[in-house]
Amino acid sequence: EVQLVESGGGLVQPGGSLRLSCAASGFTFSSYWMSWVRQAPGKGLEWVANIKQDGSEKYYVDSVKGRFTISRDNAKNSLYLQMNSLRAEDTAVYYCAREMGGGYCSSTSCYLAGQDYYGMDVWGQGTTVTVSS
Amino acid sequence: DIQMTQSPSSLSASVGDRVTITCRASQSISSYLNWYQQKPGKAPKLLIYAASSLQSGVPSRFSGSGSGTDFTLTISSLQPEDFATYYCQQSYSTPPVTFGQGTRLEIK
Repeated sequence: EVQLVESGGGLVQPGGSLRLSCAASGFTFSSYWMSWVRQAPGKGLEWVANIKQDGSEKYYVDSVKGRFTISRDNAKNSLYLQMNSLRAEDTAVYYCAREMGGGYCSSTSCYLAGQDYYGMDVWGQGTTVTVSS
Repeated sequence: DIQMTQSPSSLSASVGDRVTITCRASQSISSYLNWYQQKPGKAPKLLIYAASSLQSGVPSRFSGSGSGTDFTLTISSLQPEDFATYYCQQSYSTPPVTFGQGTRLEIK
Protein backbone atom coordinates (compact mmCIF):
# COMPACT_ATOMS: atom_id res chain seq x y z
CA GLU A 1 0.00 0.00 0.00
CA VAL A 2 1.28 3.42 -0.93
CA GLN A 3 1.53 5.42 2.27
CA LEU A 4 2.97 8.57 3.83
CA VAL A 5 3.09 8.96 7.60
CA GLU A 6 4.07 12.26 9.22
CA SER A 7 5.40 12.71 12.72
CA GLY A 8 7.15 15.28 14.86
CA GLY A 9 4.44 17.84 15.39
CA GLY A 10 3.67 19.38 18.77
CA LEU A 11 3.47 22.51 20.87
CA VAL A 12 6.44 24.87 20.65
CA GLN A 13 7.07 28.39 21.89
CA PRO A 14 7.56 31.29 19.48
CA GLY A 15 11.16 31.34 18.31
CA GLY A 16 11.54 27.63 18.88
CA SER A 17 12.36 24.79 16.51
CA LEU A 18 10.73 21.57 15.41
CA ARG A 19 11.63 18.84 12.93
CA LEU A 20 8.89 17.07 11.04
CA SER A 21 9.39 13.67 9.44
CA CYS A 22 7.46 11.84 6.75
CA ALA A 23 7.97 8.10 6.27
CA ALA A 24 7.15 6.77 2.82
CA SER A 25 6.28 3.19 1.94
CA GLY A 26 4.81 1.20 -0.93
CA PHE A 27 6.53 3.09 -3.74
CA THR A 28 9.99 4.02 -4.98
CA PHE A 29 10.50 7.14 -2.88
CA SER A 30 13.65 8.23 -4.70
CA SER A 31 11.71 8.60 -7.97
CA TYR A 32 9.44 11.42 -6.83
CA TRP A 33 9.53 15.08 -6.03
CA MET A 34 8.03 15.59 -2.58
CA SER A 35 6.28 18.55 -0.96
CA TRP A 36 5.15 19.88 2.39
CA VAL A 37 1.76 21.60 2.44
CA ARG A 38 0.19 23.22 5.50
CA GLN A 39 -3.28 24.24 6.57
CA ALA A 40 -3.84 26.77 9.34
CA PRO A 41 -6.93 26.20 11.52
CA GLY A 42 -10.05 26.94 9.49
CA LYS A 43 -8.01 28.08 6.48
CA GLY A 44 -7.08 26.79 3.05
CA LEU A 45 -4.10 24.88 1.74
CA GLU A 46 -0.69 26.54 1.53
CA TRP A 47 2.30 24.96 -0.18
CA VAL A 48 5.41 25.26 1.98
CA ALA A 49 8.32 23.62 0.15
CA ASN A 50 9.30 20.94 -2.31
CA ILE A 51 12.40 18.93 -3.11
CA LYS A 52 13.64 17.16 -6.21
CA GLN A 53 14.14 13.39 -6.30
CA ASP A 54 17.87 13.55 -5.52
CA GLY A 55 17.62 16.53 -3.16
CA SER A 56 19.53 18.80 -5.52
CA GLU A 57 16.72 21.35 -5.91
CA LYS A 58 14.67 22.82 -3.08
CA TYR A 59 12.06 25.55 -3.21
CA TYR A 60 10.15 27.43 -0.52
CA VAL A 61 7.22 29.78 -0.13
CA ASP A 62 8.51 33.26 0.69
CA SER A 63 7.09 33.27 4.23
CA VAL A 64 9.36 30.42 5.35
CA LYS A 65 12.54 31.15 3.40
CA GLY A 66 15.54 31.30 5.70
CA ARG A 67 13.63 29.63 8.54
CA PHE A 68 12.56 26.23 7.18
CA THR A 69 14.71 23.59 5.48
CA ILE A 70 13.36 20.67 3.50
CA SER A 71 15.51 17.57 3.11
CA ARG A 72 15.23 13.90 2.31
CA ASP A 73 17.03 10.62 2.93
CA ASN A 74 16.29 8.27 0.06
CA ALA A 75 18.04 5.38 1.81
CA LYS A 76 15.53 5.73 4.65
CA ASN A 77 12.54 6.62 2.44
CA SER A 78 12.04 9.73 4.51
CA LEU A 79 11.26 13.39 4.01
CA TYR A 80 11.98 16.07 6.61
CA LEU A 81 11.11 19.66 7.40
CA GLN A 82 13.35 21.49 9.85
CA MET A 83 11.47 24.50 11.18
CA ASN A 84 13.35 27.22 13.05
CA SER A 85 12.37 30.63 14.39
CA LEU A 86 8.77 29.50 14.56
CA ARG A 87 6.00 32.07 14.67
CA ALA A 88 2.37 31.94 15.72
CA GLU A 89 1.37 32.11 12.05
CA ASP A 90 3.18 28.80 11.42
CA THR A 91 0.50 27.04 13.47
CA ALA A 92 -1.08 24.51 11.13
CA VAL A 93 -1.52 20.91 10.16
CA TYR A 94 1.48 19.97 8.03
CA TYR A 95 1.03 17.39 5.29
CA CYS A 96 3.69 15.69 3.21
CA ALA A 97 2.63 14.88 -0.33
CA ARG A 98 3.98 12.95 -3.28
CA GLU A 99 4.22 14.92 -6.48
CA MET A 100 3.23 13.37 -9.81
CA GLY A 101 5.60 14.17 -12.64
CA GLY A 102 9.24 14.89 -13.27
CA GLY A 103 9.06 18.57 -14.06
CA TYR A 104 11.64 20.08 -16.36
CA CYS A 105 15.19 21.37 -16.25
CA SER A 106 16.56 24.57 -17.72
CA SER A 107 20.24 25.10 -18.30
CA THR A 108 20.70 26.04 -14.64
CA SER A 109 17.90 24.59 -12.53
CA CYS A 110 15.11 22.05 -12.41
CA TYR A 111 11.50 22.87 -11.57
CA LEU A 112 8.35 20.93 -10.91
CA ALA A 113 6.04 22.69 -13.34
CA GLY A 114 4.53 22.52 -16.77
CA GLN A 115 3.67 19.58 -18.93
CA ASP A 116 5.31 16.97 -16.70
CA TYR A 117 3.64 17.96 -13.43
CA TYR A 118 0.25 16.56 -12.53
CA GLY A 119 -0.37 17.50 -8.91
CA MET A 120 -0.07 15.78 -5.54
CA ASP A 121 -1.46 12.27 -5.71
CA VAL A 122 -0.56 10.82 -2.31
CA TRP A 123 -0.90 12.65 1.01
CA GLY A 124 -0.10 11.78 4.58
CA GLN A 125 -2.61 12.17 7.41
CA GLY A 126 -0.92 15.33 8.67
CA THR A 127 0.86 16.36 11.85
CA THR A 128 -0.20 19.35 13.93
CA VAL A 129 2.21 22.14 14.83
CA THR A 130 1.10 24.69 17.40
CA VAL A 131 3.26 27.73 18.08
CA SER A 132 2.19 29.41 21.29
CA SER A 133 3.59 30.66 24.57
CA ASP B 1 3.21 34.55 -8.43
CA ILE B 2 0.06 33.19 -10.03
CA GLN B 3 -3.06 33.87 -7.96
CA MET B 4 -5.95 31.42 -8.05
CA THR B 5 -9.49 32.59 -7.25
CA GLN B 6 -12.39 30.21 -6.75
CA SER B 7 -16.08 30.98 -6.85
CA PRO B 8 -18.29 30.66 -5.06
CA SER B 9 -16.57 30.42 -1.67
CA SER B 10 -19.43 28.26 -0.49
CA LEU B 11 -22.61 26.80 -1.87
CA SER B 12 -25.51 24.70 -0.74
CA ALA B 13 -26.91 21.93 -2.88
CA SER B 14 -29.03 18.80 -2.64
CA VAL B 15 -28.27 15.18 -3.37
CA GLY B 16 -28.75 14.62 -7.09
CA ASP B 17 -28.00 18.23 -8.07
CA ARG B 18 -25.51 19.21 -10.75
CA VAL B 19 -22.89 21.51 -9.29
CA THR B 20 -20.21 23.65 -10.92
CA ILE B 21 -17.27 25.30 -9.17
CA THR B 22 -15.14 27.87 -10.96
CA CYS B 23 -11.43 28.62 -10.66
CA ARG B 24 -9.76 31.62 -12.29
CA ALA B 25 -6.01 32.16 -12.67
CA SER B 26 -4.38 35.59 -12.61
CA GLN B 27 -2.61 34.76 -15.88
CA SER B 28 -2.86 32.03 -18.47
CA ILE B 29 -1.83 28.63 -17.15
CA SER B 30 -2.70 26.61 -20.26
CA SER B 31 -4.27 23.38 -18.93
CA TYR B 32 -2.02 23.01 -15.89
CA LEU B 33 -4.75 22.96 -13.31
CA ASN B 34 -5.57 20.34 -10.67
CA TRP B 35 -8.58 19.85 -8.40
CA TYR B 36 -8.66 18.39 -4.88
CA GLN B 37 -11.40 17.34 -2.48
CA GLN B 38 -10.93 17.64 1.26
CA LYS B 39 -13.28 16.34 3.94
CA PRO B 40 -13.15 17.63 7.53
CA GLY B 41 -10.17 16.29 9.45
CA LYS B 42 -8.81 14.47 6.41
CA ALA B 43 -6.01 15.04 3.91
CA PRO B 44 -6.83 16.41 0.47
CA LYS B 45 -7.48 13.97 -2.34
CA LEU B 46 -6.53 14.56 -5.97
CA LEU B 47 -9.61 14.42 -8.22
CA ILE B 48 -8.63 15.95 -11.54
CA TYR B 49 -5.24 16.77 -13.05
CA ALA B 50 -4.28 18.66 -16.20
CA ALA B 51 -7.68 20.37 -16.12
CA SER B 52 -9.73 17.43 -17.33
CA SER B 53 -8.01 14.11 -16.60
CA LEU B 54 -9.74 12.01 -13.95
CA GLN B 55 -7.42 10.60 -11.30
CA SER B 56 -7.54 6.83 -10.95
CA GLY B 57 -10.38 5.66 -8.71
CA VAL B 58 -12.34 8.92 -8.85
CA PRO B 59 -16.02 8.50 -9.82
CA SER B 60 -16.97 9.58 -13.32
CA ARG B 61 -19.56 12.05 -12.00
CA PHE B 62 -16.59 14.38 -11.45
CA SER B 63 -15.31 16.23 -14.50
CA GLY B 64 -13.08 19.20 -15.21
CA SER B 65 -12.79 21.61 -18.08
CA GLY B 66 -11.15 24.83 -19.14
CA SER B 67 -7.89 26.28 -20.31
CA GLY B 68 -6.08 29.58 -20.17
CA THR B 69 -7.43 31.41 -17.13
CA ASP B 70 -10.90 29.90 -16.54
CA PHE B 71 -11.63 26.42 -15.28
CA THR B 72 -14.58 24.49 -13.91
CA LEU B 73 -15.12 21.42 -11.77
CA THR B 74 -18.50 19.80 -12.31
CA ILE B 75 -20.21 17.14 -10.24
CA SER B 76 -22.98 15.74 -12.41
CA SER B 77 -25.18 14.26 -9.67
CA LEU B 78 -24.23 15.03 -6.10
CA GLN B 79 -23.87 12.13 -3.73
CA PRO B 80 -23.86 12.36 0.08
CA GLU B 81 -20.11 11.67 0.19
CA ASP B 82 -19.37 14.65 -2.10
CA PHE B 83 -20.07 17.28 0.53
CA ALA B 84 -16.61 18.63 1.20
CA THR B 85 -14.28 21.52 0.38
CA TYR B 86 -12.77 21.70 -3.08
CA TYR B 87 -9.50 23.38 -4.04
CA CYS B 88 -7.91 24.17 -7.37
CA GLN B 89 -4.11 24.32 -7.78
CA GLN B 90 -2.01 25.62 -10.65
CA SER B 91 0.94 23.56 -11.86
CA TYR B 92 2.02 25.86 -14.70
CA SER B 93 4.64 27.99 -12.99
CA THR B 94 6.27 27.02 -9.73
CA PRO B 95 7.61 27.93 -7.29
CA PRO B 96 5.42 28.76 -5.64
CA VAL B 97 2.72 26.15 -6.01
CA THR B 98 -0.53 28.07 -5.46
CA PHE B 99 -4.00 26.94 -4.46
CA GLY B 100 -7.36 28.61 -4.67
CA GLN B 101 -8.97 29.62 -1.38
CA GLY B 102 -11.40 26.71 -1.49
CA THR B 103 -15.11 26.18 -2.13
CA ARG B 104 -17.16 24.63 0.66
CA LEU B 105 -20.00 22.47 -0.64
CA GLU B 106 -22.75 22.02 1.94
CA ILE B 107 -25.98 20.08 2.10
CA LYS B 108 -29.11 22.16 1.47
